Amino acid sequence: DTGVSQDPRHKITKRGQNVTFRCDPISEHNRLYWYRQTLGQGPEFLTYFQNEAQLEKSRLLSDRFSAERPKGSFSTLEIQRTEQGDSAMYLCASSGDPLKEQYFGPGTRLTVT
Amino acid sequence: GDSVTQMEGPVTLSEEAFLTINCTYTATGYPSLFWYVQYPGEGLQLLLKATKADDKGSNKGFEATYRKETTSFHLEKGSVQVSDSAVYFCALPLVGTGNQFYFGTGTSLTVIP
Repeated sequence: DTGVSQDPRHKITKRGQNVTFRCDPISEHNRLYWYRQTLGQGPEFLTYFQNEAQLEKSRLLSDRFSAERPKGSFSTLEIQRTEQGDSAMYLCASSGDPLKEQYFGPGTRLTVT
Repeated sequence: GDSVTQMEGPVTLSEEAFLTINCTYTATGYPSLFWYVQYPGEGLQLLLKATKADDKGSNKGFEATYRKETTSFHLEKGSVQVSDSAVYFCALPLVGTGNQFYFGTGTSLTVIP
């Protein structure tokens, strides 16, 4: 069990550019979550996958955001036409059982200049 | 809806002092409750959990008791160390499709030697 990994760890981009982040969950976990964390706040839910199906999306997830989990393993989160307000830490978590603990990756810190 | 309210920080303590970080919850049922910790530059790690009323979660000298009568899950440690300096988050899973976590705003703890 190597834990949840995320790539890249840091991303600096100019406003208007597209960015894509990757998350590799714990291999036997079928549930995958994306959260966003801004400075001084707790993580806020963005979206949830069970296997390859995206079953829930937060109102925080605007049309510029899209997430996929094509084979029920790794997931990607893409932000199109980035805005300065998108600057945050993007966290991925996975879980093997509902209502039990979620295991978090180290996060991808996005800075939009 | 279900949520947690966490004591605001920051908290600064001397080494070996007693720590309490308050967390109260609002829930329609009796969800599991969690404390996560985020060390500087790292992702969230599960610190402890309790799955039902009157349960006590414990780990690394930290304890929290799930109290139904006061709807609380306060985090305590008898003697803090410099290495405990981190941000602590109280969390509960929301009832719904994904059971995503609702996190408190976090309490920053700094322990000085």
